[in-house]
Amino acid sequence: DAKTTQPPSMDCAEGRAANLPCNHSTISGNEYVYWYRQIHSQGPQYIIHGLKNNETNEMASLIITEDRKSSTLILPHATLRDTAVYYCIVRVEYGGATNKLIFGTGTLLAVQP
Amino acid sequence: GAGVSQSPSNKVTEKGKDVELRCDPISGHTALYWYRQSLGQGLEFLIYFQGNSAPDKSGLPSDRFSAERTGGSVSTLTIQRTQQEDSAVYLCASSFQPGQGNYGYTFGSGTRLTVV
Repeated sequence: DAKTTQPPSMDCAEGRAANLPCNHSTISGNEYVYWYRQIHSQGPQYIIHGLKNNETNEMASLIITEDRKSSTLILPHATLRDTAVYYCIVRVEYGGATNKLIFGTGTLLAVQP
Repeated sequence: GAGVSQSPSNKVTEKGKDVELRCDPISGHTALYWYRQSLGQGLEFLIYFQGNSAPDKSGLPSDRFSAERTGGSVSTLTIQRTQQEDSAVYLCASSFQPGQGNYGYTFGSGTRLTVV
């Protein structure tokens, strides 16, 4: 699986959009971009994933660049409860030698009141 | 069940003792994963079960660690002769089999293991 690079930490004001970047310059054509978050003392929570088109769900939006070498997770109106470590992961969607997710160090998003 | 259930939620054990950690995945999920997270660290992959296939054990840190999955459902992670460096939160996750629809992993709340 391709490696990802994320900033170690970010701040965001409550009510504003949080934009979390991720670089995955070695991503392969069949690898998806997944985002998870981990709120303190809880297990990670799935947020969203995508291949090449932008995706949106009730939690967030995922913007993937045309060359797929980077992506941005957008939380449109951050709340204090969104304070967490956000992980960007790339992996093959189906099959492959393994289906496991490899977590990096993530970005600690601190939403400020 | 509605979510991934892990037990116990907390376990304190003496160095050298064996421990068993249990994971009950979401009904219908055929894939099951174990991770561990040491204090202040990221998630470390341990082992992955997919249906009847041989498990991917590539993340197990030593032969003191083993896991099994009975009947394609409940899984038990066993740590023999525990050491202080085994202290961590052990997380279990489950997901659909690839091709059945993939909405990511669902994680349990973890078992916090403390070896004293």
